[in-house]
Amino acid sequence: GAGVSQSPSNKVTEKGKDVELRCDPISGHTALYWYRQSLGQGLEFLIYFQGNSAPDKSGLPSDRFSAERTGGSVSTLTIQRTQQEDSAVYLCASSRFGGENTEAFFGQGTRLTVV
Amino acid sequence: GESVGLHLPTLSVQEGDNSIINCAYSNSASDYFIWYKQESGKGPQFIIDIRSNMDKRQGQRVTVLLNKTVKHLSLQIAATQPGDSAVYFCAEKEDSSYKLIFGSGTRLLVRP
Repeated sequence: GAGVSQSPSNKVTEKGKDVELRCDPISGHTALYWYRQSLGQGLEFLIYFQGNSAPDKSGLPSDRFSAERTGGSVSTLTIQRTQQEDSAVYLCASSRFGGENTEAFFGQGTRLTVV
Repeated sequence: GESVGLHLPTLSVQEGDNSIINCAYSNSASDYFIWYKQESGKGPQFIIDIRSNMDKRQGQRVTVLLNKTVKHLSLQIAATQPGDSAVYFCAEKEDSSYKLIFGSGTRLLVRP
């Protein structure tokens, strides 16, 4: 597609439920990032995928968070047993290369609300 | 850990005036910097970038200045327009890394 696409755009879930957030990166982009943005805050790095290399999961806040990237394209961020503090906007970005000085393009984000 | 911060959380300017948004960074090894604009309900949008071997770069109505001596980055917007109202983030990255580290952002409000 023309840009990074994320779905759903909004998700309201009950505390304790699992959620899956999807990211379709720009075609041909080998690097994919997930960030989390709490209200009025900056972007917090979560996880990074580059090609077939092992992902950098160092930013995941707990073992309730996991992410996959299938076929080097679509990525899914899964949050198990959601908590209220998980409420935030989850942003996905992709870029042509990882580790290079190239810009990352962001999607619109998924606004997650845990009630 | 390393961090990128901003001096002013909110900046209000008159339409037509020039805006200057400042950013301090702490990682002296950072060699690539990006300014992003984020409008309400949208993802960050790339504005302009600069590498550490430069101290100034110009785009359309925007200029980024980098002062490595004091680890300071600024974004200048000429003839600010209502459409420039948004939150602006600076981000930094080391050449050896792929992680973009973001600051907390500055909200720019343009008064008509």
